[in-house]
Amino acid sequence: NAGVTQTPKFQVLKTGQSMTLQCAQDMNHEYMSWYRQDPGMGLRLIHYSVGAGITDQGEVPNGYNVSRSTTEDFPLRLLSAAPSQTSVYFCASSPQAGYGYTFGSGTRLTVV
Amino acid sequence: EDQVTQSPEALRLQEGESSSLNCSYTVSGLRGLFWYRQDPGKGPEFLFTLYSAGEEKEKERLKATLTKKESFLHITAPKPEDSATYLCAVQVTGTASKLTFGTGTRLQVTL
Repeated sequence: NAGVTQTPKFQVLKTGQSMTLQCAQDMNHEYMSWYRQDPGMGLRLIHYSVGAGITDQGEVPNGYNVSRSTTEDFPLRLLSAAPSQTSVYFCASSPQAGYGYTFGSGTRLTVV
Repeated sequence: EDQVTQSPEALRLQEGESSSLNCSYTVSGLRGLFWYRQDPGKGPEFLFTLYSAGEEKEKERLKATLTKKESFLHITAPKPEDSATYLCAVQVTGTASKLTFGTGTRLQVTL
């Protein structure tokens, strides 16, 4: 039972490049979310999903895209990377509302 | 707007010196309050969920309590391995699965 798996762990992008951060969970959880963590700002919600085929925007969605075609996978796409997107990104999953989330180990992204 | 404020920002304790971390929240309706532990370079690790005022949960040296406006994480006789950042988050009724996090308390326990 791997929990929540995020790849890659580290990534450096040039401004304007696009990429996809991968997230997979093997716990059959319906709810999945993407957060970014910046010094002094706490974890902020980017996008979330309450089941396959259903996604919605969080607090800071601009510049990011998501889709959820299966229960297991929830990739996060950066459309055109900007230095302001330099951050640590966490994917998390939960069986249902009101339950604790399980977090992945994070992707540290630097945009130069 | 839902808000979560944690204090202090940082706390340094000697081994065995008990203390409490505070999480104050302002929400329209609370579905649950969550405590997480985060070690450097790792993702947050779930500790507790509290659902209603008066509720308490315990795990080893940690005890979480909840009132209508705040939650406390009490650390009894801490050890160096308790050093970490402790995060508080709230989930509001009617907001599906969204969590709103505080900025955390960085705890250092020294010998």
